[in-house]
Amino acid sequence: ETGVTQSPTHLIKTRGQQVTLRCSSQSGHNTVSWYQQALGQGPQFIFQYYREEENGRGNFPPRFSGLQFPNYSSELNVNALELDDSALYLCASSQSGSRWNEQFFGPGTRLTVL
Amino acid sequence: AQSVSQHNHHVILSEAASLELGCNYSYGGTVNLFWYVQYPGQHLQLLLKYFSGDPLVKGIKGFEAEFIKSKFSFNLRKPSVQWSDTAEYFCAVKAPDAGNMLTFGGGTRLMVKP
Repeated sequence: ETGVTQSPTHLIKTRGQQVTLRCSSQSGHNTVSWYQQALGQGPQFIFQYYREEENGRGNFPPRFSGLQFPNYSSELNVNALELDDSALYLCASSQSGSRWNEQFFGPGTRLTVL
Repeated sequence: AQSVSQHNHHVILSEAASLELGCNYSYGGTVNLFWYVQYPGQHLQLLLKYFSGDPLVKGIKGFEAEFIKSKFSFNLRKPSVQWSDTAEYFCAVKAPDAGNMLTFGGGTRLMVKP
């Protein structure tokens, strides 16, 4: 257990819908990163939030957006869902400024788009 | 942009066999290197990391990895595997100027037969 929690565990949506995934970071961590892990592939970086602002983004379209709250928890929002958005979504938290900046991953939310 | 290649997608070993999983990355500058493990039904966990110094890095559960700069490689090794090592293993790279963005390889699924 890392102390990073995500909700919900599983989610089924239909194409065109919108979804919100949630992440609570580990105590003492102020940075949250989101990753998408498609079946049979490694995680791909979506974006990172630090001090409630997006602070780095991977190769994902604008319909992927996020928020970070004052307690450092975070949301990932995906609009206009597509079939290819079906994946495991991972949240990772870390403490910016620490020497190792190690990221601790949550268990993930498995999203299925029909 | 950096990329990571893991050459073995599936590996099957018997208990007590030696393990070596390959990882090559492409990036022209200094990188931080990681190996993560994902046991069945569990979250991603850090096995070991390399930031600088001794290129032979020891991690948890008897794993080690060697950074060979000239070959852009960071192979994972374990002298004698156990059934409990059955898992998926991911190599990841982080450029120092890339914030928290980890670039993962596609993963290697290891099955250890008892």
